Amino acid sequence: NAGVTQTPKFQVLKTGQSMTLQCAQDMNHEYMSWYRQDPGMGLRLIHYSVGAGITDQGEVPNGYNVSRSTTEDFPLRLLSAAPSQTSVYFCASSYSRQYNEQFFGPGTRLTVL
Amino acid sequence: KQEVTQIPAALSVPEGENLVLNCSFTDSAIYNLQWFRQDPGKGLTSLLLIQSSQREQTSGRLNASLDKSSGRSTLYIAASQPGDSATYLCASANNNDMRFGAGTRLTVKP
Repeated sequence: NAGVTQTPKFQVLKTGQSMTLQCAQDMNHEYMSWYRQDPGMGLRLIHYSVGAGITDQGEVPNGYNVSRSTTEDFPLRLLSAAPSQTSVYFCASSYSRQYNEQFFGPGTRLTVL
Repeated sequence: KQEVTQIPAALSVPEGENLVLNCSFTDSAIYNLQWFRQDPGKGLTSLLLIQSSQREQTSGRLNASLDKSSGRSTLYIAASQPGDSATYLCASANNNDMRFGAGTRLTVKP
């Protein structure tokens, strides 16, 4: 199993540009989520999904969109990038949110100029 | 709103020492608490998961305990090694989301 994969590893954007961060898992996990990690602040939940076709907001959803058309994929879209969105983004998955350990992808380091 | 705090923020110990990392949380209505390891520039690796009904979990030299009533969890590392150097994060799973502490950066000196 590849586990949780994320692309790209690095990305530089200009303010106002849009892009999609890709996340895929091959473990047939129902629950998937996106986090951002900023220095000194730990990880914060952006959006999550409890299954295909179902998504919900986390702690810091503004400026981001998600969709879940398949069990395997959970892309994160930045609609109009802002410097405040400079961060490291992690995707995670688990069988269920509450009871199972979370598996994390390697992360995408995003810089918005 | 759940708040998760980890103390200390950084810790440096000589090789071979036993050590304890602390994690506290404000809302005891958690489903589970998970400890992770993060190496510089890398993702998170799950170390131990404690369900809300459990008191502790062990894996090799690692032992994690959970006291919901006091809002605390500890990660005990026995006989530390330089390869244990990393940032350790704890996270609580509540009804709506998962909240992370800011982490403890551990350095084990040879």
